[in-house]
Amino acid sequence: DVKVTQSSRYLVKRTGEKVFLECVQDMDHENMFWYRQDPGLGLRLIYFSYDVKMKEKGDIPEGYSVSREKKERFSLILESASTNQTSMYLCASSTRSPGPPSYEQYFGPGTRLTVT
Amino acid sequence: AQSVTQLGSHVSVSEGALVLLRCNYSSSVPPYLFWYVQYPNQGLQLLLKYTTGATLVKGINGFEAEFKKSETSFHLTKPSAHMSDAAEYFCAVRTFSGSARQLTFGSGTQLTVLP
Repeated sequence: DVKVTQSSRYLVKRTGEKVFLECVQDMDHENMFWYRQDPGLGLRLIYFSYDVKMKEKGDIPEGYSVSREKKERFSLILESASTNQTSMYLCASSTRSPGPPSYEQYFGPGTRLTVT
Repeated sequence: AQSVTQLGSHVSVSEGALVLLRCNYSSSVPPYLFWYVQYPNQGLQLLLKYTTGATLVKGINGFEAEFKKSETSFHLTKPSAHMSDAAEYFCAVRTFSGSARQLTFGSGTQLTVLP
């Protein structure tokens, strides 16, 4: 089974702190994604990566950065956390093989971040 | 551009009743469509998907969905709701953007099952 793990299930940070959220997948997937989930807004894509050291902005990248130094690991960084970044953060991965499987994403359990 | 609309942010059904969760999509290319389920405090899990072929697709836990091109719909159904079906459900459509094949998600439907 595909497994995507996230470093923390719950995290509480103070305004202005630098926050690291880590995601690891064990399926040798090329693509990895970071989403935030807020009530009534569904999942919104923050950043994705299609290869090591490669990244592209999603729909809401402001206030975030990412790092992908190894294929299995994708980190989301909040440079200076703010209260409006309180949310559920979900990591996902997918293969880059051709055809329909390349669209199927596998999700981690999520990190619920509270910024006070 | 691709988009998904889920009608009804909250749906309540009685245990044993039919579950119907609505999803309409917009896509400029033949769509690939997905339903994901999220149980409380968990990540998303794939329920079922349509890519090509048979328009009625069956998924896990007794759920199924029918792709109707003329109606641009992909509604999720289950004949008899169980208490364990209480969760949030997301419909998604494939999206072309950037260098990775992506999904665009709907805003979700919270399903409550009443005893």
